Amino acid sequence: SQTIHQWPATLVQPVGSPLSLECTVEGTSNPNLYWYRQAAGRGLQLLFYSVGIGQISSEVPQNLSASRPQDRQFILSSKKLLLSDSGFYLCAWSLAGAETQYFGPGTRLLVL
Amino acid sequence: AQSVTQLDSHVSVSEGTPVLLRCNYSSSYSPSLFWYVQHPNKGLQLLLKYTSAATLVKGINGFEAEFKKSETSFHLTKPSAHMSDAAEYFCVVSAHFGNEKLTFGTGTRLTIIP
Repeated sequence: SQTIHQWPATLVQPVGSPLSLECTVEGTSNPNLYWYRQAAGRGLQLLFYSVGIGQISSEVPQNLSASRPQDRQFILSSKKLLLSDSGFYLCAWSLAGAETQYFGPGTRLLVL
Repeated sequence: AQSVTQLDSHVSVSEGTPVLLRCNYSSSYSPSLFWYVQHPNKGLQLLLKYTSAATLVKGINGFEAEFKKSETSFHLTKPSAHMSDAAEYFCVVSAHFGNEKLTFGTGTRLTIIP
C-alpha cells in the first residue's frame, strides 16, 4: 500500500531564515505531487504541483519554491521566511491522471 | 471554472443525533465531488467520492452523501453522530476534464455535544 510522509511535523523559524520541508511517497511510481497551505481558520490553497521529476507548476506568486529531485520526493523551500508564511503545510499525491488525492500528516510552521 | 460552497462554517449536534453538512458546487463540466475529514493537527482523510456512478455514495465511518444535479448539491450525512466525528470537513470538486486540480470549500467544523 501507499504511504506519504512529511517532516518535520512542527517547525518554529525566525523571520528571514530559510525553509526546507520534505515530502516522500512510498508504494507507487510517477505520482502527481502537490503542496498546499492551510492558514488558520481557512481552507486549503494549492501552492505547487508536479507531474514528474523536475516539472513544477506554481499556482500563486510568493516567496516559496518547490523542487522534485526524485520521482517520489517533493520539497518546499524558501530563502527568507515571512511572518505570513506561517501555517499548516500539506503534501498530497495522486496517481497520474487521477483526481483522488491522498494527504500526508502535515507540517505546522510558525514564523516568529 | 468550478467552485464549492460549504453553507455552514460550524455545526453542532448531540451525540447520537443525525449529522448534515451542506455543500453546493458549481462546475462547467460533469464534476467529481469529494468529502475529506481533518482531525486537529492532522492531514486530510478521504471520506467518500462521487464520480458519475451511483448518486448516493457511501463512505467510511457511516457517512454518506447524495449527488443532486438539479440542486447542485452534495450534502454529507450520518444517521447517528459519534464523539469521534468531531473534526473539520471539506467538500471538494474536481472537473472531469484532465484537470487534476481540486477546488476546496472553506470547511465546516463539526462539534459533537455529549
